[in-house]
Amino acid sequence: GQQVMQIPQYQHVQEGEDFTTYCNSSTTLSNIQWYKQRPGGHPVFLIQLVKSGEVKKQKRLTFQFGEAKKNSSLHITATQTTDVGTYFCAANLGEGTSGTYKYIFGTGTRLKVLA
Amino acid sequence: GAVVSQHPSRVICKSGTSVKIECRSLDFQATTMFWYRQFPKQSLMLMATSNEGSKATYEQGVEKDKFLINHASLTLSTLTVTSAHPEDSSFYICSAYPTREKTQYFGPGTRLLVL
Repeated sequence: GQQVMQIPQYQHVQEGEDFTTYCNSSTTLSNIQWYKQRPGGHPVFLIQLVKSGEVKKQKRLTFQFGEAKKNSSLHITATQTTDVGTYFCAANLGEGTSGTYKYIFGTGTRLKVLA
Repeated sequence: GAVVSQHPSRVICKSGTSVKIECRSLDFQATTMFWYRQFPKQSLMLMATSNEGSKATYEQGVEKDKFLINHASLTLSTLTVTSAHPEDSSFYICSAYPTREKTQYFGPGTRLLVL
């Protein structure tokens, strides 16, 4: 079935270093969302990308949607200890028959930030 | 933002018993809710789409007779794990879409431990 791969699986960085996670789909996506899940918590919505080549920024976070709408990336500048968690992309394959949007979650990238 | 609650947050049960998990949208109506399962250090796997007033749609490999879903109102969906076994121990998370929105909001999750 449809798979959405993320790399790397794990990343340990020193506080202040940058971090990037990549999300790749084998099929063209309608849109893509990014979530952050803290240890023991539930996924928290970060952003949604819809347009080909779209770039959005949230403070130190930069999100990009590929031109072919098959891949996406999340870049964190100057990581902080509060950035610790697992980052998931969630791929929307298109509107379903019920008019809703089903998302397939990526494999996730677990980020650890060393102080 | 929209708030989704789940009850209980944590449950321990004996093998062979059934467990019901509730998912409520507190400040919006949700025609559609989704149920996910997440095993430790893994991604979220979509189990089923819960549709208000109609049968749930299950993902491939998910037993509909084991995971009973009832979406009786626009603010409540329930997932019942029937005859639970230790391998059903997991983190169960629901999400809900406010009408006319493309963003899903997640509940805080329910940790199920089957002894």
